[in-house]
Amino acid sequence: AQSVTQPDIHITVSEGASLELRCNYSYGATPYLFWYVQSPGQGLQLLLKYFSGDTLVQGIKGFEAEFKRSQSSFNLRKPSVHWSDAAEYFCAVGAAGANNLFFGTGTRLTVIP
Amino acid sequence: EPEVTQTPSHQVTQMGQEVILRCVPISNHLYFYWYRQILGQKVEFLVSFYNNEISEKSEIFDDQFSVERPDGSNFTLKIRSTKLEDSAMYFCASSINGDNEKLFFGSGTQLSVL
Repeated sequence: AQSVTQPDIHITVSEGASLELRCNYSYGATPYLFWYVQSPGQGLQLLLKYFSGDTLVQGIKGFEAEFKRSQSSFNLRKPSVHWSDAAEYFCAVGAAGANNLFFGTGTRLTVIP
Repeated sequence: EPEVTQTPSHQVTQMGQEVILRCVPISNHLYFYWYRQILGQKVEFLVSFYNNEISEKSEIFDDQFSVERPDGSNFTLKIRSTKLEDSAMYFCASSINGDNEKLFFGSGTQLSVL
């Protein structure tokens, strides 16, 4: 069965510190993996996605994620967090041509000065 | 940048009442979706819609739910007789070609059933 696990419900980091948000997935086929961000009052915005090829993908706002098949993980990273990065982050998995995505429960990021 | 618009941002209703959630997808998109997130739980797929019919639906999308594209711009989700457990954030999304890599989401409607 398809599922996505984001083990951290809430993470607090200091501005300028590095960040890693964890995501583990279970998917029967070769997965398409996504990270979305939701700022307060905003929709879900796509940060980055992985389909194939280089396992380290770059996204918007300075984020990157690494696909590790052996660990069934797709962790999101940023070397230096900005206060504007405070938001809810969702990992999702899907398949090529599929209509639906499977999301995790999200990780809420708080950034402190 | 074009965006998916959802109204209202927050709706409160009494249990047993009908509610309609409205979405305006991006104008040249052909595929439309509803997702929902119950507080503290995962964002869950409800239904996808293409060419004026449902193309896929989840187990959650039972007979109490229906979707419609009443005109050329709106895409609605109707819950016929709301239950307490329908309280959730409902997200509308659209895409040009049904490819899940290019989903655009709205900001959501928070539905509270009392």
